[in-house]
Amino acid sequence: DSGVTQTPKHLITATGQRVTLRCSPRSGDLSVYWYQQSLDQGLQFLIHYYNGEERAKGNILERFSAQQFPDLHSELNLSSLELGDSALYFCASSVSPHSVNTEAFFGQGTRLTVV
Amino acid sequence: GENVEQHPSTLSVQEGDSAVIKCTYSDSASNYFPWYKQELGKGPQLIIDIRSNVGEKKDQRIAVTLNKTAKHFSLHITETQPEDSAVYFCAALLTGGGNKLTFGTGTQLKVEL
Repeated sequence: DSGVTQTPKHLITATGQRVTLRCSPRSGDLSVYWYQQSLDQGLQFLIHYYNGEERAKGNILERFSAQQFPDLHSELNLSSLELGDSALYFCASSVSPHSVNTEAFFGQGTRLTVV
Repeated sequence: GENVEQHPSTLSVQEGDSAVIKCTYSDSASNYFPWYKQELGKGPQLIIDIRSNVGEKKDQRIAVTLNKTAKHFSLHITETQPEDSAVYFCAALLTGGGNKLTFGTGTQLKVEL
């Protein structure tokens, strides 16, 4: 168990809908990262928050947004869902932003299926 | 930005044999290269990493080598066991501008009895 908790584990929804994925980082970790894992593209970095502030953006669509709350948990909001958004969404956390001295711990992921 | 290529995409070895997975990166400024193991139904887990000022690092049956000039790094697993079967991802960290970790596309390793 990495200590990173993601809910829900599975989510099935229809095209056009909006969903919220939740991540609770390890105790004491200030950084939260979101990744999308699809079969043909591996792990794609979406966004990074550190202590409530956005630090870096990757290949995140405009239909997607995220935030990190004062208690350090984070939510990833996906709207106007399309079939191609079906993927595993991982959250990872670390004490500080990625560096040579920082290990990131991954949650078990949320499997999103858009039908 | 950084681009990481990983080969092979699948690898099948006999138990006890060695397995080698190779990755190349594009940005010479990348300075940290972790390897993750992902078992079915679980998130990636860090198994070994190497910094740009080191050429090789070993941890029991697992070793990683880094060639900065050629911009490639490799994972070596010796005396493979069935529990080594998983998907392995390499990654490269480009610090500055947000410290983004870029992953390779993964290698499905199968260790056969």
